[in-house]
Amino acid sequence: GDSVTQTEGLVTLTEGLPVMLNCTYQSTYSPFLFWYVQHLNEAPKLLLKSFTDNKRPEHQGFHATLHKSSSSFHLQKSSAQLSDSALYYCALASSSFSKLVFGQGTSLSVVP
Amino acid sequence: NAGVIQTPRHKVTGKGQEATLWCEPISGHSAVFWYRQTIVQGLEFLTYFRNQAPIDDSGMPKERFSAQMPNQSHSTLKIQSTQPQDSAVYLCASSSGAGNTLYFGEGSRLIVV
Repeated sequence: GDSVTQTEGLVTLTEGLPVMLNCTYQSTYSPFLFWYVQHLNEAPKLLLKSFTDNKRPEHQGFHATLHKSSSSFHLQKSSAQLSDSALYYCALASSSFSKLVFGQGTSLSVVP
Repeated sequence: NAGVIQTPRHKVTGKGQEATLWCEPISGHSAVFWYRQTIVQGLEFLTYFRNQAPIDDSGMPKERFSAQMPNQSHSTLKIQSTQPQDSAVYLCASSSGAGNTLYFGEGSRLIVV
């Protein structure tokens, strides 16, 4: 079945340094990939999602590139901000109307 | 737009008791999803409905968990004979369908003692 792997449980970064959170997936199909972000005591919300036409999605300074050859959709940002501290989930959907399968999440802590 | 509304926000129940959680999806959304969130497992899929019909309940522990969507404005998740391992945050999400963007509620934190 479909699965998503996020290898880092906790990432601690100094403000201003680049961010990269890893996400790899397994799927029988050519899935859609997503990043969701959850701040403390808030609901998870969509950060960005892959396009079907290979465009690179970007939002709030974050971007991710879908690499089908390596089954990866890593999340990146050039300069971390304190407000980026949150829990980040990578997810996939095998088709337009199917459920989302989530990874275990990566907790990002940005310190001064 | 009030977003997805979940009640109760917190529930403490004794082992063996029943717990019912409610979800009101965003008006006009055709799909409703239930997930369970724990530190160890992350976000685990439980079940989902589309146009009130059950589509996929592959994540539901069959013996004690059940979910219903009696009308387009609410869904319930019922856990019978609760166990300590059921302690988690239960998240409901709704979607308009195409594109898979899920809009989550703030969750119901269940503690079984």
